Amino acid sequence: GAVVSQHPSRVICKSGTSVKIECRSLDFQATTMFWYRQFPKQSLMLMATSNEGSKATYEQGVEKDKFLINHASLTLSTLTVTSAHPEDSSFYICSASGVRQANEQYFGPGTRLTVT
Amino acid sequence: DAKTTQPPSMDCAEGRAANLPCNHSTISGNEYVYWYRQIHSQGPQYIIHGLKNNETNEMASLIITEDRKSSTLILPHATLRDTAVYYCIVRVVPRTSGTYKYIFGTGTRLKVLA
Repeated sequence: GAVVSQHPSRVICKSGTSVKIECRSLDFQATTMFWYRQFPKQSLMLMATSNEGSKATYEQGVEKDKFLINHASLTLSTLTVTSAHPEDSSFYICSASGVRQANEQYFGPGTRLTVT
Repeated sequence: DAKTTQPPSMDCAEGRAANLPCNHSTISGNEYVYWYRQIHSQGPQYIIHGLKNNETNEMASLIITEDRKSSTLILPHATLRDTAVYYCIVRVVPRTSGTYKYIFGTGTRLKVLA
């Protein structure tokens, strides 16, 4: 149980375009979802926290107009990287927790974004 | 800022116990310690968590010192598949919102040697 999926697993886009990444909780209702980014050989950095039906809370230094987060249902959150640039190339990982899974976060497999 | 410090890397012989230390000297009384691991290019995998008492599950044991300023994750019989980056995390509840969050430190890169 407590499986989280992400789509796509890999995406390549051109500079200036927008990319949407989906995060789904497959077998539980995710009341809270988290978005992280990870650069090569570095740790995970929390970008934002979103509660279903509410606006996301962004970490300091993360541009909310560039990284749009929507958590419209209890099983789906999306991250849209707008006007992507090569420096946005990274590994994006989501995680989710629910009422029954409140003690821990369950992570998705990650999405590798490459901006050319 | 991360609330944990870990050695950057460790080696362990296959079949032996791997003991991964973590310092969290600024931990607050209601903050849990979590351990996750990440195999290359995958999402982190939950291992174990605890507050005060030592914990054990099918994957590992967690030993927390009495003052809670440090802990050790023990993999009792390491295998080659345990090669990964291990993250010790303090689960933080920010003052401005009730939603907890994880702050990842740099982790320990464990290499299990045949």
